[in-house]
Amino acid sequence: GENVEQHPSTLSVQEGDSAVIKCTYSDSASNYFPWYKQELGKGPQLIIDIRSNVGEKKDQRIAVTLNKTAKHFSLHITETQPEDSAVYFCAASPWGNAGNMLTFGGGTRLMVKP
Amino acid sequence: NAGVTQTPKFRVLKTGQSMTLLCAQDMNHEYMYWYRQDPGMGLRLIHYSVGEGTTAKGEVPDGYNVSRLKKQNFLLGLESAAPSQTSVYFCASSYSRDRRNEKLFFGSGTQLSVL
Repeated sequence: GENVEQHPSTLSVQEGDSAVIKCTYSDSASNYFPWYKQELGKGPQLIIDIRSNVGEKKDQRIAVTLNKTAKHFSLHITETQPEDSAVYFCAASPWGNAGNMLTFGGGTRLMVKP
Repeated sequence: NAGVTQTPKFRVLKTGQSMTLLCAQDMNHEYMYWYRQDPGMGLRLIHYSVGEGTTAKGEVPDGYNVSRLKKQNFLLGLESAAPSQTSVYFCASSYSRDRRNEKLFFGSGTQLSVL
């Protein structure tokens, strides 16, 4: 089955700096890669996703890049703000797999210091 | 709309006790899921359902049972709780894959401690 590794497990940045979280996956059949943000005491929320037919996707301060050959994808947050502090999860899933069987990475705790 | 609602929010059990976690969604989603979240291990799928009356095993199904008698509800049961089942449990739902909408909507979680 799919295995998703996520690094780093914790990341501390100064407000205004950029943050990068990286994930690698093992199953070449995976073609859908979402990122979820989990704030304290809440369930994860989808913030951005990418499919394997594109290499990069942006949404304001957030961007995701995908390298299918190397089987890795990354989340980039620019101009970080204190409200970006949360746990971020990457995930991978092959299309056609019944039940949207996402495999999640172990999570990254991002702390943005004012 | 309330989205995905989980009850209870907190529970403490003794080893061997049983309990049921309830998940309800009001978005008319076909797919529902139960995940457990443990430190450093991300979210792991326990069981899922692709429609009313159907269930399937996920990555870590042992020690759990589920039922989907109504489309809007997905129940997770622990028949004989063990300390290894101490975790935070999340329910999620999504539209069917055929609609090409992969987004999962999560509940706020149930913190379960088994002593």
